[in-house]
Amino acid sequence: EVQLLESGGGLVQPGGSLRLSCVASGFTFTNYAMNWVRQAPGEGLEWVSIITTSGGETVYADSVRGRFTISRDNSKNTLYLQMNSLRGEDTAVYFCAAVNGCSGAHCPGVQKWGQGTLVTVSS
Amino acid sequence: DIQLTQSPSSLSASVGDRVTITCRASQGLSSYLAWYQQKPGKAPRLLIYTASTLQSGVSSRFSGSESGTDFTLTISSLQPEDFATYYCQQLNTYPWTFGHGTKVEI
Repeated sequence: EVQLLESGGGLVQPGGSLRLSCVASGFTFTNYAMNWVRQAPGEGLEWVSIITTSGGETVYADSVRGRFTISRDNSKNTLYLQMNSLRGEDTAVYFCAAVNGCSGAHCPGVQKWGQGTLVTVSS
Repeated sequence: DIQLTQSPSSLSASVGDRVTITCRASQGLSSYLAWYQQKPGKAPRLLIYTASTLQSGVSSRFSGSESGTDFTLTISSLQPEDFATYYCQQLNTYPWTFGHGTKVEI
């Protein structure tokens, strides 16, 4: 069974840090570029970041560039998101998501999704 | 950034209705557009990729089409399990962007 299991969410104060993890199972992790997508309470989806299969390339949304760092450990089938300098507007459910079949930035669609982990930034 | 204008933002429909949702892109996407279904408290589910290709395991009542920078998701005969929010996403150019969603209600 394909699974993406996120963890690491919780309550953090503004300016604080948090590290999210996502463990993949049931598919060949190294064949997939990995993403983080977030959804603020009652709002729509916002793409956050992507990392290529090897980890050699990363791209970020403007809203998180310079504060968030995406990484992966292919030996552990695990994706990470290090979040620093957190703000209230970062409050959201963070989804880990997998995509393959890409040609550079051109990808068909995000095929696999985790259930999400909630990050709340509040004093 | 590429803007996706999704319409309508919500609609009311009945079981058996044909439903059409539109997503207009601010520039060309070379067909790299996907449609997702999301139910409350759940992760999105991929329905259509590269504008018109049905994802494996998805009912054939879902279909996608494109005309220039206009993309359409059609549900041919709405079923009870189809009441949800639908999003389009462009995967042509970073940063990838989503439409604001269409909530399909009874």
